[in-house]
Amino acid sequence: RKEVEQDPGPFNVPEGATVAFNCTYSNSASQSFFWYRQDCRKEPKLLMSVYSSGNEDGRFTAQLNRASQYISLLIRDSKLSDSATYLCVVSNAGNNRKLIWGLGTSLAVNP
Amino acid sequence: DADVTQTPRNRITKTGKRIMLECSQTKGHDRMYWYRQDPGLGLRLIYYSFDVKDINKGEISDGYSVSRQAQAKFSLSLESAIPNQTALYFCATSDPGRTGEKLFFGSGTQLSVL
Repeated sequence: RKEVEQDPGPFNVPEGATVAFNCTYSNSASQSFFWYRQDCRKEPKLLMSVYSSGNEDGRFTAQLNRASQYISLLIRDSKLSDSATYLCVVSNAGNNRKLIWGLGTSLAVNP
Repeated sequence: DADVTQTPRNRITKTGKRIMLECSQTKGHDRMYWYRQDPGLGLRLIYYSFDVKDINKGEISDGYSVSRQAQAKFSLSLESAIPNQTALYFCATSDPGRTGEKLFFGSGTQLSVL
């Protein structure tokens, strides 16, 4: 089982739609969780951290379920500019806090 | 101006050649990283450095070496390039004291080894 797993998609949605991605992780001792966004052939950029109580940033909502070991990202009112790959990242415990990267979920928002 | 700058942006080379990829940053971060990204394999850590005197292997360091010449500079070398080192390479920085575990990436170097 991969340490971090994501549905690769692609998710094709119309503008204005709500779309949700899940990401599962295998290490129950994982400490920190993040969603990064990556446009084609560009560098990843942090979209948001994921906190235990869940957190929201505009149209984006991230949630963590430690019992089931998954995190989720919800995008409301999708924009064309949301089209990208969304990478789930998990940080393990320990001094080095190693980051484990998912392969990403591809989203295409269509007019 | 980019805070994390990688050079070159693209490089095509032949098997057996020595290649150096350079990374410089103006963020003042102590921690620097080299990743490679391959389709279907995601981002994988090659080497990382927490300060000028610290070098650590990542999960796929074989065939690579690094040099941390200064706080702001971290270069990646392929001593004898091989085709399976064709990939998109990213340099990144972080500063746990100020921005936690957030990574700041350069724009990437696309390397093709023929």
